Amino acid sequence: DARVTQTPRHKVTEMGQEVTMRCQPILGHNTVFWYRQTMMQGLELLAYFRNRAPLDDSGMPKDRFSAEMPDATLATLKIQPSEPRDSAVYFCASGSTEDGNTEAFFGQGTRLTVV
Amino acid sequence: RKEVEQDPGPFNVPEGATVAFNCTYSNSASQSFFWYRQDCRKEPKLLMSVYSSGNEDGRFTAQLNRASQYISLLIRDSKLSDSATYLCVVRSGNTPLVFGKGTRLSVIA
Repeated sequence: DARVTQTPRHKVTEMGQEVTMRCQPILGHNTVFWYRQTMMQGLELLAYFRNRAPLDDSGMPKDRFSAEMPDATLATLKIQPSEPRDSAVYFCASGSTEDGNTEAFFGQGTRLTVV
Repeated sequence: RKEVEQDPGPFNVPEGATVAFNCTYSNSASQSFFWYRQDCRKEPKLLMSVYSSGNEDGRFTAQLNRASQYISLLIRDSKLSDSATYLCVVRSGNTPLVFGKGTRLSVIA
């Protein structure tokens, strides 16, 4: 059963520390999305890749966040330095534009707490 | 104005009831519409796509009104297992999905 895999599932870190979240999209999917979910804001798009190229990262605070796709099987989201307001659930999702299926499949998320 | 707006609820309904959620979107160029379901502390999952002619999947019926820019979801004969947050989602072309904040439903025995 193909699924998006995210690691770690939970992360507690101190303010100022670097946090790296990883995502393995579903094999064959060519689009990858990073979303952040909080009670106040709901699901917000942070970054979007198609065929490994970043297409939209306007939702991401550039001074501390960075998103990359070193290869087709790995996407990373890094926060450096982390702040308490970054506490949220970070979801990675993947999809395919090749077969016309527009559904996005979500990973189980990384629950980040910055203290 | 938020791109996708939903009543956050909660909607508390008894088992067997019919419940309807509405959602409005601001971008008239939106082309694709979906309802996702998210259980507590879980990831969102696609419930159903919304087609212009309206569509039904078992107890669930989705409608789209392009003129008024709103989408609806009707759940008939509610089950306890329907308790979740329902997310309205829109997309323009190949752009990423834009999510509403969700409507929370609690079905009570």
